[in-house]
Amino acid sequence: EVQLLESGGGLVQPGGSLRLSCAASGFTFSSYAMSWVRQAPGKGLEWVSAISGSGGSTYYADSVKGRFTISRDNSKNTLYLQMNSLRAEDTAVYYCAKSRTITIFGEERYFDLWGRGTLVTVSS
Amino acid sequence: AIRMTQSPSSFSASTGDRVTITCRASQGISSYLAWYQQKPGKAPKLLIYAASTLQSGVPSRFSGSGSGTDFTLTISCLQSEDFATYYCQQYYSYPGTFGQGTKVEIK
Repeated sequence: EVQLLESGGGLVQPGGSLRLSCAASGFTFSSYAMSWVRQAPGKGLEWVSAISGSGGSTYYADSVKGRFTISRDNSKNTLYLQMNSLRAEDTAVYYCAKSRTITIFGEERYFDLWGRGTLVTVSS
Repeated sequence: AIRMTQSPSSFSASTGDRVTITCRASQGISSYLAWYQQKPGKAPKLLIYAASTLQSGVPSRFSGSGSGTDFTLTISCLQSEDFATYYCQQYYSYPGTFGQGTKVEIK
């Protein structure tokens, strides 16, 4: 079955760190760019970061640049998001999402597969 | 960043209605627009990409149109399972910004 499954969310204090994981199955993981998209409670969707199929290219939203790092391990079919210096405004459900292109600048950058999400709560 | 504005933000409709949601980009994005459906507590689901191409498995009552700055999502005959929140997203340039969402509620 084609699916994405996130893990690693939880409660963390402001200034703390957390690493999210997204396990992919049912498709050739290394052939597709992947992204993280978040949704604050009761709010809309916000794209956070993207990584190419090879992992050689990355892109970040200004709101997380310098604090978050996206990476992938194609041998484990897993996507990661290392989140440092967390703030209250980072509280959200974090989804991993698959694009139809291998590069982060490909034409088919929309998301055709989403995980169920993992909740990150930043609070003291 | 390109700003995406959806209208209306919410509305009520009845099963069988024809409904239209509008999405406007702050600058031209050609046809690099996708529509997603999200139900409470669930992940978004891709409905349409390239402004008007129906994703595989999505019912044909969904359709999309537009190019440049103005786009529409139409549901030709609203079904009970269509009550949800709908988001447009531009993927013309980074960041791939989303509209604020349109919630379709039961009248």
